[in-house]
Amino acid sequence: QQQVKQSPQSLIVQKGGISIINCAYENTAFDYFPWYQQFPGKGPALLIAIRPDVSEKKEGRFTISFNKSAKQFSLHIMDSQPGDSATYFCAASEDTDKLIFGTGTRLQVFP
Amino acid sequence: EPEVTQTPSHQVTQMGQEVILRCVPISNHLYFYWYRQILGQKVEFLVSFYNNEISEKSEIFDDQFSVERPDGSNFTLKIRSTKLEDSAMYFCASSRQGANLYEQYFGPGTRLTVT
Repeated sequence: QQQVKQSPQSLIVQKGGISIINCAYENTAFDYFPWYQQFPGKGPALLIAIRPDVSEKKEGRFTISFNKSAKQFSLHIMDSQPGDSATYFCAASEDTDKLIFGTGTRLQVFP
Repeated sequence: EPEVTQTPSHQVTQMGQEVILRCVPISNHLYFYWYRQILGQKVEFLVSFYNNEISEKSEIFDDQFSVERPDGSNFTLKIRSTKLEDSAMYFCASSRQGANLYEQYFGPGTRLTVT
């Protein structure tokens, strides 16, 4: 019940396209859902986060869509750029100190 | 911009040896964490630390692991007797408040190789 399932495992998108990464969870006590971006050899960097009281949050080209009833949330990267090529992790947390991470999506954006 | 720093960037050790991984969290943060990532896998929570004590730990964080905040700036993870399966990237993170209240900021990691 503590798992966060993430898909797809890898994603190839052309420059200018939309990248969509999906996550699903079971634990209804989760109330904080961040997305992290990780470049090779670096630590995860917080990209954007959402709480379940809103259905969508947008920051620049990055949007989180949240469906509380389906227990799913997704990251949309609009106008994808080669510099967006990285591994993306969704995560979730409840009223505890730990983040539960998804398995990661390797995004490759080709010019 | 303040950031979490970690040393060393790469540590090679022999099985059975003790290692200490060091972290300097962001200065006004109160919550500290260790996570690990085995090559190609997801990031896994190890332990959280607040007010000079462990607030939560995972099943991975057994008696071979310990954490300490020896002074006002450093936060350390000690593995007493390393095993081959401890080989991973270890990330320190810090937060101003608890995990669900405020963002966690991660350091660049220490790659631990146990031979």
